[in-house]
Amino acid sequence: QQQVKQSPQSLIVQKGGISIINCAYENTAFDYFPWYQQFPGKGPALLIAIRPDVSEKKEGRFTISFNKSAKQFSLHIMDSQPGDSATYFCAASVEGSGDKLTFGTGTRLAVRP
Amino acid sequence: DADVTQTPRNRITKTGKRIMLECSQTKGHDRMYWYRQDPGLGLRLIYYSFDVKDINKGEISDGYSVSRQAQAKFSLSLESAIPNQTALYFCATRGSTNEKLFFGSGTQLSVL
Repeated sequence: QQQVKQSPQSLIVQKGGISIINCAYENTAFDYFPWYQQFPGKGPALLIAIRPDVSEKKEGRFTISFNKSAKQFSLHIMDSQPGDSATYFCAASVEGSGDKLTFGTGTRLAVRP
Repeated sequence: DADVTQTPRNRITKTGKRIMLECSQTKGHDRMYWYRQDPGLGLRLIYYSFDVKDINKGEISDGYSVSRQAQAKFSLSLESAIPNQTALYFCATRGSTNEKLFFGSGTQLSVL
């Protein structure tokens, strides 16, 4: 059972454009929603995270939008750059549940020059 | 030097063989995790440990076992490898007061 559904599977964006990756979750007990970025040959690295007490969090060109009622959250990459080309994973967890992150299936982003 | 080190980086083995993947960390974290990554499936949790005496099964523990030899070392074993265990395996750590996971660079395992 996939508790965190991520889309699209792959995404191609022109340099300077906006990249948008969406995730939907089922477990209403989830209270921590991170995004991880993975470059080829490397392990995932935390990019940005949000808790459900806010609807948006911005760090530089990266923004998480969170819609608690719809059980959805998304990653927006503004002014996308070729260096942003990577695989992005959304994830979710319940505090106090053993800190087990449930990951989405990943989105492979390619930013064309 | 990497904070989370996995060995080997690549491994090819045959069906039925026993193999061990090793992970060590210099971050001083109590919590360690083993994840498996498959194309189109994302990362799935195999086992996790909060300290040397605490081992917990994750989402897909069947066919795997782990050992927490010390706070800094967490190894994953496949007692009798099978082809559908071919995957990219990641070790990760985190501290007790921060949710951020730190991943190693992964071990690509191929079971023929």
